[in-house]
Amino acid sequence: DAGVIQSPRHEVTEMGQEVTLRCKPISGHDYLFWYRQTMMRGLELLIYFNNNVPIDDSGMPEDRFSAKMPNASFSTLKIQPSEPRDSAVYFCASSLLGLETQYFGPGTRLLVL
Amino acid sequence: GQNIDQPTEMTATEGAIVQINCTYQTSGFNGLFWYQQHAGEAPTFLSYNVLDGLEEKGRFSSFLSRSKGYSYLLLKELQMKDSASYLCAVRGLADKLIFGTGTRLQVFP
Repeated sequence: DAGVIQSPRHEVTEMGQEVTLRCKPISGHDYLFWYRQTMMRGLELLIYFNNNVPIDDSGMPEDRFSAKMPNASFSTLKIQPSEPRDSAVYFCASSLLGLETQYFGPGTRLLVL
Repeated sequence: GQNIDQPTEMTATEGAIVQINCTYQTSGFNGLFWYQQHAGEAPTFLSYNVLDGLEEKGRFSSFLSRSKGYSYLLLKELQMKDSASYLCAVRGLADKLIFGTGTRLQVFP
């Protein structure tokens, strides 16, 4: 199995630009999670989906952030407009069931100048 | 509120044993996870405890006491490659994992 796939692996952009992060979960997994990791705050859950439906987006910092999952094999996290404080590593993870182990993708390292 | 505490940094010597503690206060409890994260890489699953007691897996063991809100990860026969961050995570209500900020372990020769 290829594992969770994320793209791009690195993104450098200027403040105000739109950023789109992409994730392909492990085939057959019906839960997908988006996390953000910073030195100060550690790993924080932003939003998660079950069977393509957003279940809890209470971790999304503000309206500039949005996430979609149009089908079982693809999800996006969009930041518009981006700000320097959004600089972080964004991880996508998936699991077979809600109570099962989550498997993480390699992450997208975002730098907003 | 939800709170997970673990030491920020620890150091140990190759071949030694180290114990990384984690205390938690969460809304509900449906299991505790330990993840290992090497610098610049993704977290990878190490262990899972849902009942009290010790779970052993090779050089790594994890212990849970639900009544005390306490867990530890025990690493034996330390190797240089064990230098990494170790993240304690609790599954509370629903399917959400709450992560601690992690313990950075440095193993010296």
